[in-house]
Amino acid sequence: GENVEQHPSTLSVQEGDSAVIKCTYSDSASNYFPWYKQELGKRPQLIIDIRSNVGEKKDQRIAVTLNKTAKHFSLHITETQPEDSAVYFCAASPSYSSASKIIFGSGTRLSIRP
Amino acid sequence: DAGVTQSPTHLIKTRGQHVTLRCSPISGHKSVSWYQQVLGQGPQFIFQYYEKEERGRGNFPDRFSARQFPNYSSELNVNALLLGDSALYLCASSLAELNEKLFFGSGTQLSVL
Repeated sequence: GENVEQHPSTLSVQEGDSAVIKCTYSDSASNYFPWYKQELGKRPQLIIDIRSNVGEKKDQRIAVTLNKTAKHFSLHITETQPEDSAVYFCAASPSYSSASKIIFGSGTRLSIRP
Repeated sequence: DAGVTQSPTHLIKTRGQHVTLRCSPISGHKSVSWYQQVLGQGPQFIFQYYEKEERGRGNFPDRFSARQFPNYSSELNVNALLLGDSALYLCASSLAELNEKLFFGSGTQLSVL
């Protein structure tokens, strides 16, 4: 069945350094790829998303890249700050009107070292 | 403006019982979807409803059912509870029919003993 694999499961970076989280998906019909941030004990929140007709999208310190041929997409966080510490989830969705389904990765726990 | 609200926040049930979880979407949002999140894992898609019709269903047994009301609020029902149903159940709403730009509620923590 459809699957989204996410790596690494844990990531620790020095404050100010960059962090990269990678995901691969199996359903070639996927064309919408969001990233959600979940702080401890809180609800997931959308931080950035990208569609398959775009290769890269940037929002301040956060960027997402998509390689549709390889079925890979990645989250890049630059100049990391303590408030970036959280669990990050990637997801993939076919995003068509019928039988709409979204598959989440298993998450990456990002820790920012002061 | 209130976000997505879910009730109850916590629930303890025993095996074999049934449970009803409730969700109110953001005002103006017509799509509601449900997810099961086991500790340490990503949310797993259960159902999506749009305009009171089921638009998507994940790989969950028939013990799981849901519905959406005319005011776009939604209920998730789980019958014949199993220990493995213990999880955080998240509801999310979105403006459009598709599972995009989801706004999540804080969830209902269900413990099955």
